[in-house]
Amino acid sequence: DTAVSQTPKYLVTQMGNDKSIKCEQNLGHDTMYWYKQDSKKFLKIMFSYNNKELIINETVPNRFSPKSPDKAHLNLHINSLELGDSAVYFCASGHRGTDTQYFGPGTRLTVL
Amino acid sequence: AQSVSQHNHHVILSEAASLELGCNYSYGGTVNLFWYVQYPGQHLQLLLKYFSGDPLVKGIKGFEAEFIKSKFSFNLRKPSVQWSDTAEYFCAVNESNAGNMLTFGGGTRLMVKP
Repeated sequence: DTAVSQTPKYLVTQMGNDKSIKCEQNLGHDTMYWYKQDSKKFLKIMFSYNNKELIINETVPNRFSPKSPDKAHLNLHINSLELGDSAVYFCASGHRGTDTQYFGPGTRLTVL
Repeated sequence: AQSVSQHNHHVILSEAASLELGCNYSYGGTVNLFWYVQYPGQHLQLLLKYFSGDPLVKGIKGFEAEFIKSKFSFNLRKPSVQWSDTAEYFCAVNESNAGNMLTFGGGTRLMVKP
């Protein structure tokens, strides 16, 4: 009965690789989000997406791209991974009108 | 662009002490305000939120927060903390015309000594 789930929980990879993190929500929400939490616990929005609109935080490198096969999924694809990409990535979902977001358990990405 | 400031980066309290964590935001328009908690090794959980109405909002686990519009503040309070409140606390602000994306403060790490 997990509301927002992410896989994998941990991801360790080499610089230059391409990787994806998957996110699924079973709450029937129309909007999904990706956040990055750095080593100092600072949380920053990366993307907001529903089936009509993608909003990208302008500071996010174009190596990062969200991909949504359907309304319940928003995967995060990262090309040419860099050391600075090491962080915990959180997926969240919510209804666009109600503003409360529910977070997934996070994926800890380590780039070596 | 809006910003959110949490003035206390680390707070250490003894059990039963009262807690107040500060949060200020910079946006002058209509905002929604949130406090999230992240227990060690866990994901973010919503503590409470303010959209409109009574500026004093009550959340889970005995937490409350007061929205003071004139001060652009949304401070979190709890009259008597417990060891289990040890966690990272994040204030967040949302503008409806920004795709509902949350802007988070830098977080406050609370440690409650038993």
